Parts: sequence; structure tokens; C-alpha cells
Amino acid sequence: KQEVTQIPAALSVPEGENLVLNCSFTDSAIYNLQWFRQDPGKGLTSLLLIQSSQREQTSGRLNASLDKSSGRSTLYIAASQPGDSATYLCAVKPGTYKYIFGTGTRLKVLA
Amino acid sequence: DGGITQSPKYLFRKEGQNVTLSCEQNLNHDAMYWYRQDPGQGLRLIYYSQIVNDFQKGDIAEGYSVSREKKESFPLTVTSAQKNPTAFYLCASSKDIAEAFFGQGTRLTVV
Repeated sequence: KQEVTQIPAALSVPEGENLVLNCSFTDSAIYNLQWFRQDPGKGLTSLLLIQSSQREQTSGRLNASLDKSSGRSTLYIAASQPGDSATYLCAVKPGTYKYIFGTGTRLKVLA
Repeated sequence: DGGITQSPKYLFRKEGQNVTLSCEQNLNHDAMYWYRQDPGQGLRLIYYSQIVNDFQKGDIAEGYSVSREKKESFPLTVTSAQKNPTAFYLCASSKDIAEAFFGQGTRLTVV
């Protein structure tokens, strides 16, 4: 059974720091992995999608990597800002219809 | 402007009452999903639909029902059989193994 774990559960950093969020999954048979951002009381906003054949994706200050063989993905945020404060979720797609989510990392960037 | 629209944003349900949450998308996506989010837990799949007039149970379907009469619409009914319906409900859509998009959510509270 596929399980997705995100560590740490919460993280607090000063503004300007580069940081890494971790996502691990137990079964490497996935179609893709997607990172989302969720603000309090809001829906999920897609940040980056990595297909199973890809190693990384970049968008602005965000970079996500995928290592299927070790069951790991990282989301790198460069030069963090207070506006980056949110919960970050990763999800894997083990089949054509289903996503399995981690419980998220709650990030707080201090001004 | 393409996207997913959920309504209402807040919903209150009395004991023994059925309520319906709306989800509409204009992204021309074939697949649509309903997730439930509880504090401290990851998103859990309630129902999903890959094509019109077809839908499948997810991990926590008991006490819920759905329909998929149109490609754009995937309403969720929370029935009186759902004993603990207070939660944040999220609708999503995707096309094949491409990026998934989420609505802004409906917060359901039992009064």
C-alpha cells in the first residue's frame, strides 16, 4: 500500500533562507508527483508537477526533484519570503485515477 | 478564465439532513474527484469519476453519494448516514496524468 510521508510537519525560518521540504513514498510505481501549496481555509494551488520520467522541475524560486528509486522528492525554496508561509503538500499518482497525499509541512517564514 | 468552482464556501447541516456540495469545472477535464480534509490528516478520497455517467468509490465513500451527468459537473451529497460530516471538502479535476487542479473548498459544519 502506497504511503506518503512529509517531514518535518512544521518549519519556521527567517526571511531570506533557502529551505528544503521533504516528501517520501513507499512504492516507486508512480505516474507523477505533484507539489501543492495550501493557505489557511483555502483550496490547493498547484506548484510543480514532475512526471515519472523526469528528475526535476523549476518554477521561479521553486525547484522540485524526484528520485523514484529511493522514493523521495524534495521541494527547494530559494530566498524565502513571508508570503511563502503556507502548508505544502505533496501527492503521488500511483494509477491513472488516484492521488495519495502526505499530511503536509506547515511553513512559517519570519520577517 | 478556466478553473474549478466550488459552492457554497460555507455550509451548515442539521442532524438528519442531506446536503449537496457543488463542483463545476470548465477545463474540459475528464476526471473529477472529491476529497475530505480533516485537521492533522492528509486528504482522503471520497469518490472519483473518470468519464460521464461513471464514478467509483474512494477510500471513505460511506455516507456520501455523487452523480456525473455532465462532464463539467460532479456534485457531492452528504447524507444523514455520514455520522461525522464536519470537515473541509475539496473537489479536483485532471486530464490523464497531467496536472490536477483544485477548487477553493467547502467547509461543512454540523449544527
